[in-house]
Order: sequence, then C-alpha cells, then structure tokens
Amino acid sequence: DGGITQSPKYLFRKEGQNVTLSCEQNLNHDAMYWYRQDPGQGLRLIYYSQIVNDFQKGDIAEGYSVSREKKESFPLTVTSAQKNPTAFYLCASSVDPNQPQHFGDGTRLSIL
Amino acid sequence: AQSVTQLDSHVSVSEGTPVLLRCNYSSSYSPSLFWYVQHPNKGLQLLLKYTSAATLVKGINGFEAEFKKSETSFHLTKPSAHMSDAAEYFCVVSELGAAGNKLTFGGGTRVLVKP
Repeated sequence: DGGITQSPKYLFRKEGQNVTLSCEQNLNHDAMYWYRQDPGQGLRLIYYSQIVNDFQKGDIAEGYSVSREKKESFPLTVTSAQKNPTAFYLCASSVDPNQPQHFGDGTRLSIL
Repeated sequence: AQSVTQLDSHVSVSEGTPVLLRCNYSSSYSPSLFWYVQHPNKGLQLLLKYTSAATLVKGINGFEAEFKKSETSFHLTKPSAHMSDAAEYFCVVSELGAAGNKLTFGGGTRVLVKP
C-alpha cells in the first residue's frame, strides 16, 4: 500500500542536542511538507518542498532544517536552536501543491 | 490574508444524533476548503474538499459540508453520529499563491460521542 511513513513514533531529545525526524513516501508525490502541532492548536507549517533539491521556509522555520535529496524522502532536523521543541510533528505530501495533502502518523518529540 | 475560525473547541453528542461542526473563513480570493479528521496520535485524514464546484460536498463516512459564500462558512455535518466519529476535526482553507497552495488550519474541534 502507498503511504507516508514517519519514524520514530516517539523521540526524546536532550538539551543542546540535534535530532532528525524521518519522513518517507512511496506515493510518487512531488510536494512534501512538515508541520508542527501543539495541544489544542491547529497545524503550523515549518518547511515545504515542491520538488527535489528545493525547499522553502514556512511560518515557523526558525530552529529547524530540512533536506530534499530524494523525491521520496524529506527529513526534518530539530536543532538545539529550537528552544521549545516539544510537539507532535506531522509530515505530508501531495501530487502537486494544488492538491489535498496526505499525512503520516506523526512523531511525538519530547525533551528529557 | 486568509484565516479560519472553528467556532467550537469541543462538541459532545449522543450516538445516533446529528453532528454539526462550525467553520468560518476569510480569504482574499476564491479558496479551496477542506475538512480533515485526526484520531489520537495519528495523522490527518481528508474527509472532504470544496473546490468551486457544487456547494454541497459529500465526503467519507457519511459527512457532508455546505459552502456558503455569503456567510463565509463551511460547516460540517453528519446525520447520525457513530462512536468511531470521536476525534478532532480541522477546517482548512487553501489559497493559491506564488509558491503554490498555502494551507491555513483552524484550531480544531474535538468531538465526544456518548453511548
């Protein structure tokens, strides 16, 4: 079955440490997205990529970095510069930026 | 700038009774509108979408939504709630910009279904 796989499901970070969240899709979608979800709030866009080797900052990109070296992969790094990283992170993809997005099951990041 | 307001943060219904989730939006242009559902610790699943065709949109699991431009609303309804409908629902507006579609999410409505 085609879909989006996020790993790990739960992740813990120590203070001052960078961590990388994985997002892989086998839907052959060009566009991929990273969102952050905080309790009781909607999703906020961190980064997005419309095509391989290209990505753009979203509304809350500070403290995060991404890469898009392959069409199927869009990893997100939460750097030590992100002072409040505890959240639920969702990856999504779409055939193109004008189509509905399909979501992975998320990674919950917590600080030790 | 576009925005989305979900008027109820929580809705409680009894199984078998109707569900109404309210959503108002603001948009500079003719937007596309979506409803997504999220079950605990899961990603979002698309329920339905409006893209300037019929104003009454039917989605999965018996849900439907009506686009009312004069009221800038896109309320989600279901005639008879099922226990499996307990989840959080997000109204989303999409506007086409220079960098493709920008999605703006409402704050979510959490639905509780009582037996």
